[in-house]
Amino acid sequence: AQSVTQLGSHVSVSEGALVLLRCNYSSSVPPYLFWYVQYPNQGLQLLLKYTSAATLVKGINGFEAEFKKSETSFHLTKPSAHMSDAAEYFCAVSDDIEGGGADGLTFGKGTHLIIQP
Amino acid sequence: DAGVIQSPRHEVTEMGQEVTLRCKPISGHNSLFWYRQTMMRGLELLIYFNNNVPIDDSGMPEDRFSAKMPNASFSTLKIQPSEPRDSAVYFCASSAGTGTYGYTFGSGTRLTVV
Repeated sequence: AQSVTQLGSHVSVSEGALVLLRCNYSSSVPPYLFWYVQYPNQGLQLLLKYTSAATLVKGINGFEAEFKKSETSFHLTKPSAHMSDAAEYFCAVSDDIEGGGADGLTFGKGTHLIIQP
Repeated sequence: DAGVIQSPRHEVTEMGQEVTLRCKPISGHNSLFWYRQTMMRGLELLIYFNNNVPIDDSGMPEDRFSAKMPNASFSTLKIQPSEPRDSAVYFCASSAGTGTYGYTFGSGTRLTVV
């Protein structure tokens, strides 16, 4: 069974500071990993995904994440936080490798990112 | 592309009433998912379909919940009878078919059962 753990339900950073949101996964097979962002009263939007190509993945809005197999981690970072980054962030894992059909993603509990002016 | 379309955006109903949530996936996507989001439990996968066929409904909480996908462009999630603990935001998502694509989510339906 696959699972995702996001460390810290709330993370607060100052505007312009580094953003680091932590995600550790558990999967019995090489995983596909995703980060989603949810703004208030909206659905989830895909930020970036890892699908066994490059271990450093760049996404939208200046975010990136690095897949580290030895640490079973997929932490999300952004060099300089902006007020508009305030949102809920979800890490997710899928171990679907067969193609032709999608298994459900398993989501972490989410991390609420707060940006201090 | 209009994205995944869910209706209604908000639903307030009385306990015991039937509730039907609707979803139109992105054209060409052959996988569809229903999720429920609450503060206590986070995001939970309720059921998903591949090519209109239900694949895994183990996340459906009770027999009061049912989902259908009569064709590739429409799905419903029904709760009958509804209870206050069903209050949540229900999301529909669709995917092009494999785990590598990620999912596109709708804006959700906020259900309040009073």
